[in-house]
Amino acid sequence: SQTIHQWPATLVQPVGSPLSLECTVEGTSNPNLYWYRQAAGRGLQLLFYSVGIGQISSEVPQNLSASRPQDRQFILSSKKLLLSDSGFYLCAWSDWIYNEQFFGPGTRLTVL
Amino acid sequence: GDSVTQMEGPVTLSEEAFLTINCTYTATGYPSLFWYVQYPGEGLQLLLKATKADDKGSNKGFEATYRKETTSFHLEKGSVQVSDSAVYFCALSDPVTGGGNKLTFGTGTQLKVEL
Repeated sequence: SQTIHQWPATLVQPVGSPLSLECTVEGTSNPNLYWYRQAAGRGLQLLFYSVGIGQISSEVPQNLSASRPQDRQFILSSKKLLLSDSGFYLCAWSDWIYNEQFFGPGTRLTVL
Repeated sequence: GDSVTQMEGPVTLSEEAFLTINCTYTATGYPSLFWYVQYPGEGLQLLLKATKADDKGSNKGFEATYRKETTSFHLEKGSVQVSDSAVYFCALSDPVTGGGNKLTFGTGTQLKVEL
């Protein structure tokens, strides 16, 4: 069966510090991968998606970047965090069998 | 572009009450429709889905019917429990605009069930 992992689960970082969030998927090959942000009390905003290694599409201009160094690994990064980067970050995957997306447990990021 | 509109929350119900959460959509193509549920502090879980008109998705006592004529996918449950308290998201996947199986989400509806 397929599983998706995210870490860390929670993170508190000062403004201006770098960020690296990691997401890995097991049990599937060549998945589509997604990063979302959920601000407090609000809906989901798609940040990035990837249909293959090294292929990243950005949905909104922002202070963040994404990379996919391996087939089942998706990394969200920032060189300098802003207060507005605080939120709940969710990774998800889908493939050609399932057109729905399956979500990881999320990372709670607080920027102080 | 595609969009999903959900009723504003929070929705507060007594245990065993009937639940309806309205969801309507606009899409360029013929979308698949989904309901996701998010429990506090957790990621989203797929609750149910429907891929064509008149399909009924169902799971854990929840159900929703794909109504193409009214572009709706309302979520219903006959008798809610305290454990159903969560945020519910309606979403669509449009084969025309949703490259890479992208989903368009509604803003979410918070449900609170009280004893």
